[in-house]
Amino acid sequence: DAKTTQPTSMDCAEGRAANLPCNHSTISGNEYVYWYRQIHSQGPQYIIHGLKNNETNEMASLIITEDRKSSTLILPHATLRDTAVYYCIVKTTSGTYKYIFGTGTRLKVLA
Amino acid sequence: KAGVTQTPRYLIKTRGQQVTLSCSPISGHRSVSWYQQTPGQGLQFLFEYFSETQRNKGNFPGRFSGRQFSNSRSEMNVSTLELGDSALYLCASSFRQGLATNEKLFFGSGTQLSVL
Repeated sequence: DAKTTQPTSMDCAEGRAANLPCNHSTISGNEYVYWYRQIHSQGPQYIIHGLKNNETNEMASLIITEDRKSSTLILPHATLRDTAVYYCIVKTTSGTYKYIFGTGTRLKVLA
Repeated sequence: KAGVTQTPRYLIKTRGQQVTLSCSPISGHRSVSWYQQTPGQGLQFLFEYFSETQRNKGNFPGRFSGRQFSNSRSEMNVSTLELGDSALYLCASSFRQGLATNEKLFFGSGTQLSVL
């Protein structure tokens, strides 16, 4: 299973874009990149996922490099409620299926 | 519609006891997966059930078991509790077999288990 590497923590000013990087240099062709976040005392919340194209939804944008070895989650206008731990996960849809969450990035949005 | 419901929210047990945790998925969802979250190990996959059958299993000892009922509700059981089993236990549901598809997972708020 491909592993991911994320910075341990990041700060972002309220109203600014939060750019959360993720390295997944061993990703294989059939593995998707998923992002979830976990606000204290709650279960993880799905944000977005993609395979090779950039993706955007109402919560965020996902930018995947052409070689797919890294990606960036962008929260365009961070608010205090975006303070959470963000997990970047790669997941295959064949063979042994599982999510490997890793340690995530603790994002703190500052007022 | 209602989200994923886990009961109880908090539980305190002593070593050697056993415990059963419950998870009610979102209505219409047929897949339930379970995760253990600890400060040291993070979020770790336990197992997934789909249509009452265990489809995939993580690297946990046999003391951890589960089952799924015909209404898709799931229970997780831990026997002979150890201090290291203290953790937040999360379940997640999806319509299709989440781990084998691109289905996103919907998580409950978890059961915080403390083993004394």
